[in-house]
Amino acid sequence: DTGVSQDPRHKITKRGQNVTFRCDPISEHNRLYWYRQTLGQGPEFLTYFQNEAQLEKSRLLSDRFSAERPKGSFSTLEIQRTEQGDSAMYLCASSTLAGGYNEQFFGPGTRLTVL
Amino acid sequence: AQSVAQPEDQVNVAEGNPLTVKCTYSVSGNPYLFWYVQYPNRGLQFLLKYITGDNLVKGSYGFEAEFNKSQTSFHLKKPSALVSDSALYFCVADDYGQNFVFGPGTRLSVLP
Repeated sequence: DTGVSQDPRHKITKRGQNVTFRCDPISEHNRLYWYRQTLGQGPEFLTYFQNEAQLEKSRLLSDRFSAERPKGSFSTLEIQRTEQGDSAMYLCASSTLAGGYNEQFFGPGTRLTVL
Repeated sequence: AQSVAQPEDQVNVAEGNPLTVKCTYSVSGNPYLFWYVQYPNRGLQFLLKYITGDNLVKGSYGFEAEFNKSQTSFHLKKPSALVSDSALYFCVADDYGQNFVFGPGTRLSVLP
């Protein structure tokens, strides 16, 4: 499968713990995006990378959240000191700038439950 | 600020009938517009996009959408609905690749 992959698919943690999610984009896609989706809502943009540079961060991305894409390939999203309000589906997407502006391809998501 | 509205939470249509899922947007300048579909326990899937050019764009699975600049709308349509089209549909606006904004979603139910 050459699509966007995310790991883990599900994560249950206790409040106050740190969690880290991984996203592997489609090979050679320049851009990588992170979103959060809560039940009954549309995805909300968190941040995006172009290659290894983090170019945009939403106000939703509090100081407890950090994202990296160290070699311009896979990315990680870490949440420190998790809170119950962090429970959501975290989605990763990637796109290419080749040939102009293109649509994003989404991974299956990581569902986080904070107890 | 950018925003996308989908005025209907739920759309019900009989199989074989035409369907329309409505979307209006508020984006500065000329937007890029997309429709995505989300099936249960599956990732978001791209349906179609408007970047520039012809106002009527055709996409996957027989869907199409019409960009109307004066009404700031981008309604999704299909001439003949299938039960398998039942899913959650999201309209998305993008301000030159800097900010991807999703609408709240419309749940489509196609009744046999």
